[in-house]
Amino acid sequence: IAGITQAPTSQILAAGRRMTLRCTQDMRHNAMYWYRQDLGLGLRLIHYSNTAGTTGKGEVPDGYSVSRANTDDFPLTLASAVPSQTSVYFCASSDLTEPNVLTFGAGSRLTVL
Amino acid sequence: GQNIDQPTEMTATEGAIVQINCTYQTSGFNGLFWYQQHAGEAPTFLSYNVLDGLEEKGRFSSFLSRSKGYSYLLLKELQMKDSASYLCAVGDSNYQLIWGAGTKLIIKP
Repeated sequence: IAGITQAPTSQILAAGRRMTLRCTQDMRHNAMYWYRQDLGLGLRLIHYSNTAGTTGKGEVPDGYSVSRANTDDFPLTLASAVPSQTSVYFCASSDLTEPNVLTFGAGSRLTVL
Repeated sequence: GQNIDQPTEMTATEGAIVQINCTYQTSGFNGLFWYQQHAGEAPTFLSYNVLDGLEEKGRFSSFLSRSKGYSYLLLKELQMKDSASYLCAVGDSNYQLIWGAGTKLIIKP
């Protein structure tokens, strides 16, 4: 592992199903983030965590939940997927000394039918 | 409200210079950041400005005027590999990034 690993790379999901997107980093960064990216819109923050054991809501948190049990892992869960959650999801991390210099994972493309 | 504006698309010629503008209105300011994103890939950090003026990094330079809420990214000696989207983002009062929609730069030979 080098940097941030996201899984799955791509997934097609039926509406109403539960889905967890995984994110693991090996840089010992304090802060981690989940963004969604939709055509024509800027990256939108879903949830973030400044340190293990704490999480916060971003701009578009509804329908999503996160946990931060340790420094390395930051999974994103869709409890009951809806078509409007079709998007590309990026996990990112940063060191708190430079909080806005983000390292991104390769992304997870999710399609909800 | 918070708003970041940048052109949707620009076209330039290989070897030339291009300037990508970004204007912003945000609650609080903790830096102006530029990221590059190739199609189908993740964004990668390019540069940031906290103080007014020009920051140069090889072929790329970024300028900031806080009083005008304005920044630009200048790319010199354009190469085909510079074809990408360039994302402007502002750090707000909570040190969270507010993102523009990105400028798709097309380089023609």
